[in-house]
Amino acid sequence: QKEVEQNSGPLSVPEGAIASLNCTYSDRVSQSFFWYRQYSGKSPELIMSIYSNGDKEDGRFTAQLNKASQYVSLLIRDSQPSDSATYLCAVNINFNKFYFGSGTKLNVKP
Amino acid sequence: DAGVTQSPTHLIKTRGQQVTLRCSPKSGHDTVSWYQQALGQGPQFIFQYYEEEERQRGNFPDRFSGHQFPNYSSELNVNALLLGDSALYLCASSDSFGRSPYGYTFGSGTRLTVV
Repeated sequence: QKEVEQNSGPLSVPEGAIASLNCTYSDRVSQSFFWYRQYSGKSPELIMSIYSNGDKEDGRFTAQLNKASQYVSLLIRDSQPSDSATYLCAVNINFNKFYFGSGTKLNVKP
Repeated sequence: DAGVTQSPTHLIKTRGQQVTLRCSPKSGHDTVSWYQQALGQGPQFIFQYYEEEERQRGNFPDRFSGHQFPNYSSELNVNALLLGDSALYLCASSDSFGRSPYGYTFGSGTRLTVV
């Protein structure tokens, strides 16, 4: 079992819709969780971090964490074509050693 | 405030050769981690340097080695290159022991192609 698992997609949503991206992790002691956006050929860019159970909102983005279920999600409201990218879920295992999922490719159709 | 800088941006090497990639961390960061990202995959942890020592290592062979200098910059060396080493190599900096609330700051990466 991989440490972090994501559906590879592609996930296609129309412009203006809500995109929902999901991630599960295997290590119960994980304390911090991150979502990165990666455009093709570019390096990952941090968009959200979450440490406590519940929801964390930042603009059009909401991260959700459920440690009991070992589940992290990212919601993107009012999706725009510029949101089309691969979204990587990352879990901080210890001392900033991160495990990444393989990413979910999101396509937002105009 | 400079971010993470990596050099070179692109590199083409022949099988069996050796390569050195370089990274300067973001100002204020003292920990450097290296990742390998193959096409269509997530970044895979290679190793992490702090206080000029390798602190953690992922599941990579000894052909992959590194170094951290007193100014916190770092090098990644790969010996006896294989075709499968072709990937985007990412350097990420952070402050020690996870005090940074923002996770990693990634450099723009070095695209290595082995032919």
